[in-house]
Amino acid sequence: GAVVSQHPSRVICKSGTSVKIECRSLDFQATTMFWYRQFPKQSLMLMATSNEGSKATYEQGVEKDKFLINHASLTLSTLTVTSAHPEDSSFYICSARDEEGFNYGYTFGSGTRLTVV
Amino acid sequence: SQQGEEDPQALSIQEGENATMNCSYKTSINNLQWYRQNSGRGLVHLILIRSNEREKHSGRLRVTLDTSKKSSSLLITASRAADTASYFCATEGSGGGADGLTFGKGTHLIIQP
Repeated sequence: GAVVSQHPSRVICKSGTSVKIECRSLDFQATTMFWYRQFPKQSLMLMATSNEGSKATYEQGVEKDKFLINHASLTLSTLTVTSAHPEDSSFYICSARDEEGFNYGYTFGSGTRLTVV
Repeated sequence: SQQGEEDPQALSIQEGENATMNCSYKTSINNLQWYRQNSGRGLVHLILIRSNEREKHSGRLRVTLDTSKKSSSLLITASRAADTASYFCATEGSGGGADGLTFGKGTHLIIQP
């Protein structure tokens, strides 16, 4: 089945630094990948849609200059949290859809737990 | 994007019993999907039901969809301790997969041995 690899799984960084999270589709090509954020005991909120070869589309209220997205190839999207602050601490999850997959479900990465201290 | 509602928010049952979770949504959809999330982990796709389908089965899972009421239910039969997790419904809008998924608030299911 379709596999999405996300890393790191856990990262702790100091306030003001930047953190890069990678999301790779391992056995399929993904023109579009999605980045979600999940706060404790809450649901997933879509942050942005990453499009291969073009600019990402951000949801309302998500700062594009703070959350930089790069989708340079059909198998890799990266999310960089710039100048991180404690309020950015959250669980970040990427997903991609295998367009040719049988059930058209989305495959999710295992998530990245970001803690900003 | 708007979020759907799920109920109950938390459900605790005995092993072997059936668990039913409900989900409501607000917009037109292509399909509705159910996912499971174990604590602090990624999401696992369970089942997808298309807007023109009313019921679907997969193993111990049964999903229904009522587009007139904009609601869906997930039934897990003969529950096991390993089913303990959070369950989310997610809808793909009628615009297709370009807009990602809109998630419900989730149901935290606890199966007591």
